[in-house]
Amino acid sequence: DTAVSQTPKYLVTQMGNDKSIKCEQNLGHDTMYWYKQDSKKFLKIMFSYNNKELIINETVPNRFSPKSPDKAHLNLHINSLELGDSAVYFCASRRGGKQYFGPGTRLTVT
Amino acid sequence: AQTVTQSQPEMSVQEAETVTLSCTYDTSESNYYLFWYKQPPSRQMILVIRQEAYKQQNATENRFSVNFQKAAKSFSLKISDSQLGDTAMYFCAFIDNSGGSNYKLTFGKGTLLTVNP
Repeated sequence: DTAVSQTPKYLVTQMGNDKSIKCEQNLGHDTMYWYKQDSKKFLKIMFSYNNKELIINETVPNRFSPKSPDKAHLNLHINSLELGDSAVYFCASRRGGKQYFGPGTRLTVT
Repeated sequence: AQTVTQSQPEMSVQEAETVTLSCTYDTSESNYYLFWYKQPPSRQMILVIRQEAYKQQNATENRFSVNFQKAAKSFSLKISDSQLGDTAMYFCAFIDNSGGSNYKLTFGKGTLLTVNP
């Protein structure tokens, strides 16, 4: 069974649309993260939730809204998509000093 | 704030040879972890090796080993007997284990390693 899963793996959409990316982990971890990998491959933290509570918000535009219905899920909703939102988005979960990454979602905004 | 610097954007090595990837970091914390992640073309982030700052012994995982120099804030990755499957982007990363930054990973910009046949 996949430890951290994301859906969809690929997402192509037009500017101005609203889209969601889902993340689920079956590891029983309390803390989950969203990272963004830009076109130059640079990875940067966006958000983190601990047991459904937001604990990190790294100056991400408020068009991005994470939602954690329970501690196994952390979804990312993006409103009014812009060209600059095109990237790979990774979900991760943590126990102790290790983070486990999902397969990533490649978002392309046209 | 912590920073992680990888000064080699690209490297190449012949199959079966040894290569070392460099990483330096800056932090005022004393309790932290350092990592090397591998990202092959499949884009999956794979943890290669982890080092706890309080451990003096360098971590090793099969063909992968690190040279952790805490005073110099240096954390290099050595890959021995390079294989074609080692071709990937390698990221050095840092976690403040004191909890002050909520255990977020701070990444370097990556080194693209190509293993040539």
